Amino acid sequence: EIVLTQSPDTLSLSPGERATLSCRASQSVITYLGWYQQKPGQAPRLLIYDTSNRATGIPARFSGSGSGTDFTLTISSLEPEDFAVYYCHQRYNWPYTFGQGTKLEIK
Amino acid sequence: EVQLVDSGGGLVQPGGSLRLSCTASGFTFSSFGMNWVRQAPGKGLEWVSFISSGSNTIQYADSVKGRFTISRDDAKNSLYLHMNNLRAEDTAVYYCVRERGHIDYWGQGTLVTVSS
Repeated sequence: EIVLTQSPDTLSLSPGERATLSCRASQSVITYLGWYQQKPGQAPRLLIYDTSNRATGIPARFSGSGSGTDFTLTISSLEPEDFAVYYCHQRYNWPYTFGQGTKLEIK
Repeated sequence: EVQLVDSGGGLVQPGGSLRLSCTASGFTFSSFGMNWVRQAPGKGLEWVSFISSGSNTIQYADSVKGRFTISRDDAKNSLYLHMNNLRAEDTAVYYCVRERGHIDYWGQGTLVTVSS
């Protein structure tokens, strides 16, 4: 099983700041890595698929990068609605796995 | 508009059974693989099972293998998860999730509580 480790567990920033979230895989997932945003009481929402492709309707301030085992989600300038929990997910190998999540909170 | 509506959750005793359903609309259901993903209260996401379009490929997490069965009825645009021998650790919100290469749309989830 591929283990995904996200860092940090919690990130405290202010609106307008840049956020950098990390996801490290225990073995290569090539570029088959996605990012999801979840707000309280809601289902997760796809932000980025296959490392760097923004999903439909996702603002350009969200971007993804990386390959192999190290991946990054960057939010260039935080908006109030961006404070949520973010999960990375690999679809390279069965079983599919998710990271433990990074909580992005308002400082 | 893509819609996935999850249903069938509820309170069940340990060792009991439950069948979850997901009704899809707004896309050609038969052309997509589908997954179930669950989230225990206050916890992260855990992938549970996958079924391909045409039902040729089926996968399960080790934690549910032998107890859960995924199936689909393309004529009814529906996905199912039959859950047997339920345990307390199966308590979670269960999400129906669409996939075509990557996971994209999620249902709203249905809560399963396993407790005596």
